[in-house]
Amino acid sequence: DTGVSQDPRHKITKRGQNVTFRCDPISEHNRLYWYRQTLGQGPEFLTYFQNEAQLEKSRLLSDRFSAERPKGSFSTLEIQRTEQGDSAMYLCASSLARLAGGEQFFGPGTRLTVL
Amino acid sequence: AQSVAQPEDQVNVAEGNPLTVKCTYSVSGNPYLFWYVQYPNRGLQFLLKYITGDNLVKGSYGFEAEFNKSQTSFHLKKPSALVSDSALYFCAVRDEDTGGFKTIFGAGTRLFVKA
Repeated sequence: DTGVSQDPRHKITKRGQNVTFRCDPISEHNRLYWYRQTLGQGPEFLTYFQNEAQLEKSRLLSDRFSAERPKGSFSTLEIQRTEQGDSAMYLCASSLARLAGGEQFFGPGTRLTVL
Repeated sequence: AQSVAQPEDQVNVAEGNPLTVKCTYSVSGNPYLFWYVQYPNRGLQFLLKYITGDNLVKGSYGFEAEFNKSQTSFHLKKPSALVSDSALYFCAVRDEDTGGFKTIFGAGTRLFVKA
């Protein structure tokens, strides 16, 4: 399978715990995006990488959230001291810089439930 | 600031009839516009995009969309709906001039195609 993969697919945690999600983009894609999606809403932009550089970060992203893409390949999204309001589907997408328009290819998502 | 509106939460259409899913947008620069589809338990899939050129763009699964600059709209259309088209559809916009690579999604429209 050469699509975007995310791990884990589901995560249940208790409030206050830290969680980390992984995204593996399509191999030749140099752009990587993280989104959050709650029920009844569209994906909400969180952050964006071009290669290993984090170029944009939503103001909605609190200091408890951090993302990395250390070698310009896979990326991790960490949420520290989780809160119930963090419960959502976390989506990763990748795109190819040279493709005009830059449509994104999405992974299946990681569903986070904070108890 | 960029924004997208999908005025209909749900669209119902009979199989074989034409369908339209509406989208309006707001950007300060030139828009890149996208439609994505989300089937149950599957990730978002790219359908089509408008970058420049012809106002009518064609995409996957027989879908097309019409860009209307004066009305700031990008409605999704299909001449003859199939039951298998039933899914959640998202319109998205990126501001080519000022928005970087941040993509804003609408809240989604659920399409029900009845046999």
